Order: sequence, then C-alpha cells, then structure tokens
Amino acid sequence: DQQVKQNSPSLSVQEGRISILNCDYTNSMFDYFLWYKKYPAEGPTFLISISSIKDKNEDGRFTVFLNKSAKHLSLHIVPSQPGDSAVYFCAASEAGTYKYIFGTGTRLKVLA
Amino acid sequence: DAEITQSPRHKITETGRQVTLACHQTWNHNNMFWYRQDLGHGLRLIHYSYGVQDTNKGEVSDGYSVSRSNTEDLPLTLESAASSQTSVYFCASSEGGPPYEQYFGPGTRLTVT
Repeated sequence: DQQVKQNSPSLSVQEGRISILNCDYTNSMFDYFLWYKKYPAEGPTFLISISSIKDKNEDGRFTVFLNKSAKHLSLHIVPSQPGDSAVYFCAASEAGTYKYIFGTGTRLKVLA
Repeated sequence: DAEITQSPRHKITETGRQVTLACHQTWNHNNMFWYRQDLGHGLRLIHYSYGVQDTNKGEVSDGYSVSRSNTEDLPLTLESAASSQTSVYFCASSEGGPPYEQYFGPGTRLTVT
C-alpha cells in the first residue's frame, strides 16, 4: 500500500506559467515533507521542505503548500523555466525516524 | 567540498554472481540510505543505517545486505544477483537535525544478464 502518491506521471506547462505538482499521503504520523528534483543520469537534488506544523514554505520561485486535513501537498513553481524540466519526487518522513518514503514522481516538461 | 560518491557508475553482471556497490560520503553524516529507482515505482528504500554498526531493512531488502564499519561508507551487496535487481541504485546521507533532507549520490546503473 503506497503511503505517498503522485497521481500525475507527467505534466506539460508553457514557459513563464505556473507549474503545480501534487502529492497525497495516507499516514497522519508524517511530520516532514520534502520535494526533490531529478535530471536524467543524476541523483535527486533537494528543493524545498515543509514541516507538518506549517501550511506554506517559500523559497524563490518554489512554494510548497501543505493541507493536513486533506493529507495533500503541492509544489508551485512560478514562473516556470525550461531548466525546470525534470522529474519531481515528493517524500514524507514519520515522526521519530530519519527515513523518507518517496512518491513515484511526476515528469515536468516546460515548453519554450 | 563535501560530497557523496558511488562506484561503479555502470555495472553489468551475470545472474548468480555477488556484486558490491560502493557508497562514500565526506559529509560526516550518521544517516545513510540505499534506494533503487524503477519505472512506476519511484525511489524505494533497500537498507539504511543510523551510525557505525547499525543497519536496518527497508521495504525492498530481500537479496541485499549492507554493513557499516565506519561513518563514511555503506557498501550494498547483492548476494546472488537476479534479473529483477536490474535497476538504478542511489545512495544518500543525512544529518540528524530536521528536516533531515538527504543528499544523494549520482547513482549506479546495474544490469543483471
């Protein structure tokens, strides 16, 4: 049973517009959430995090929103750039552990 | 600069052979992790370690083992390679403070023929 789900395998967005990537989870004990970006033939790189005690965290063009009642988080990228084209993973960690459970990823393509 | 490296980057082996993938980090992190990435499955945790002499099984640990004799290294061993273990393997490390973000190596692409 997948505890972290990314239901959209792919997403295409025009350059300059907003990209919204979604992630759903089932475990109410998750207390930290991360987003990673992955380019082909490279390891994932950390983008942004959010604690369960917050509902929003912003870093430049990237904003993560957390809706605990819906067990849903989203990553907004504004404005989207061609260099943002990559696979994005969300990940969740249960309180008291250092390990993360990853979603299956969403491939974002930003069209010039 | 601190980093995390994996070797080899590519490996082709035969069914039944023992294979060891190396992971070395210079972050001085206590926590280290091994994942495999497969299409449709994302990143799945194989084994992890919270310090020297500590190892734990992840969600897909069958057929794999790890050992942690020092802080810097966490080698992953496939005892008897199977075609189902053809995958891309990533090593990661993290420090002890929240949000415990993990730093990933570049990956090892393993093909079992």
